Amino acid sequence: AQTVTQSQPEMSVQEAETVTLSCTYDTSESDYYLFWYKQPPSRQMILVIRQEAYKQQNATENRFSVNFQKAAKSFSLKISDSQLGDAAMYFCAYRSGATNKLIFGTGTLLAVQP
Amino acid sequence: DVKVTQSSRYLVKRTGEKVFLECVQDMDHENMFWYRQDPGLGLRLIYFSYDVKMKEKGDIPEGYSVSREKKERFSLILESASTNQTSMYLCASSPWGSDVWGNQPQHFGDGTRLSIL
Repeated sequence: AQTVTQSQPEMSVQEAETVTLSCTYDTSESDYYLFWYKQPPSRQMILVIRQEAYKQQNATENRFSVNFQKAAKSFSLKISDSQLGDAAMYFCAYRSGATNKLIFGTGTLLAVQP
Repeated sequence: DVKVTQSSRYLVKRTGEKVFLECVQDMDHENMFWYRQDPGLGLRLIYFSYDVKMKEKGDIPEGYSVSREKKERFSLILESASTNQTSMYLCASSPWGSDVWGNQPQHFGDGTRLSIL
């Protein structure tokens, strides 16, 4: 069975600095998708960024980028120029290419210090 | 924008009660999901549905059932609520996708914080 591990329960970053959130996963599949979701204090979960496993190029969305290391089964999220609004719980998630079920990590709570 | 609406933000019920959590989406999505979120455990899938009247068990279906009579509505039912079902419940939906399982993201509701006393 696939698993997703986020080893950092909490992180803190200064405003305008860069922070990297870690995520590793375990799978024997070759076809899958990876996601980072953000859950602000208002609680609605929103998609931050996604990566298809067959793509070698790392996904980027404005200040958010990923470092996808397929061989190492690592999918870290980098937030550049951190803003107060980035404070949230961040979840890494995996989906097999053969199912529409998401498997979530336990989350990383990010605090942004002014 | 996709809107996923959960009927209650907060709900307090008593043990043994039958509890209904309702979820409605407005984007004609085929897939709908129910998760529970607990500190230190992340989100765990309870049930999902990929079509009207179709349902599949997720990772933790025990003590729950679901109903999908209409495409836009997906209900989670706690047949006889127990205190260990106190949790945050999140509903999500996603489209079928251009390829069957695609990379279409799931869209989430605001969540229902359910307390069972």
